[in-house]
Amino acid sequence: GQQVMQIPQYQHVQEGEDFTTYCNSSTTLSNIQWYKQRPGGHPVFLIQLVKSGEVKKQKRLTFQFGEAKKNSSLHITATQTTDVGTYFCAGNDMRFGAGTRLTVKP
Amino acid sequence: GAVVSQHPSRVICKSGTSVKIECRSLDFQATTMFWYRQFPKKSLMLMATSNEGSKATYEQGVEKDKFLINHASLTLSTLTVTSAHPEDSSFYICSASTDGTTNEKLFFGSGTQLSVL
Repeated sequence: GQQVMQIPQYQHVQEGEDFTTYCNSSTTLSNIQWYKQRPGGHPVFLIQLVKSGEVKKQKRLTFQFGEAKKNSSLHITATQTTDVGTYFCAGNDMRFGAGTRLTVKP
Repeated sequence: GAVVSQHPSRVICKSGTSVKIECRSLDFQATTMFWYRQFPKKSLMLMATSNEGSKATYEQGVEKDKFLINHASLTLSTLTVTSAHPEDSSFYICSASTDGTTNEKLFFGSGTQLSVL
């Protein structure tokens, strides 16, 4: 099956700084999904990207899907302490990337 | 949004016993459910895809006789960890999509923390 690689594994930022996590697939994806898991919680769906080159925004979060539909990114502008958690991408076969754990220092 | 209920949330059992975990879709029919395993601070590892009325599809390396999956109705899938051992201790979590395909977002249960003594 496809393999989705995600980097970085960890990211620690000062509150107000930006944050980006990247996912790369060895094969072309029909779609990619992003989830957030708070410490002690379960993954919660954030967004799905389907179209080549697609960009979607949710307040301070910007999601991009590459032109070749093999990579994607999640960018958070001006992080807040409420952004703490692990962000996962998932390819269309429901396999998840390793996740990026974000910690935010107030 | 759709709700997936998973029970129990936490279970402690003795080595050699079997444990059943239930996953229910409360307000939608889930023809397909997915079972994951998650180790502390690690990613979700897909164990199997559960299809209503048919045999589950297991990922490579997952023992089907060890992790029995039953999806007898459109709203219930169960995972039974048979003859549990300490190395089976983990966080197990189920998910379902509202239309049963891989093109729809997943709704996750709250997970089950299994501890085998």
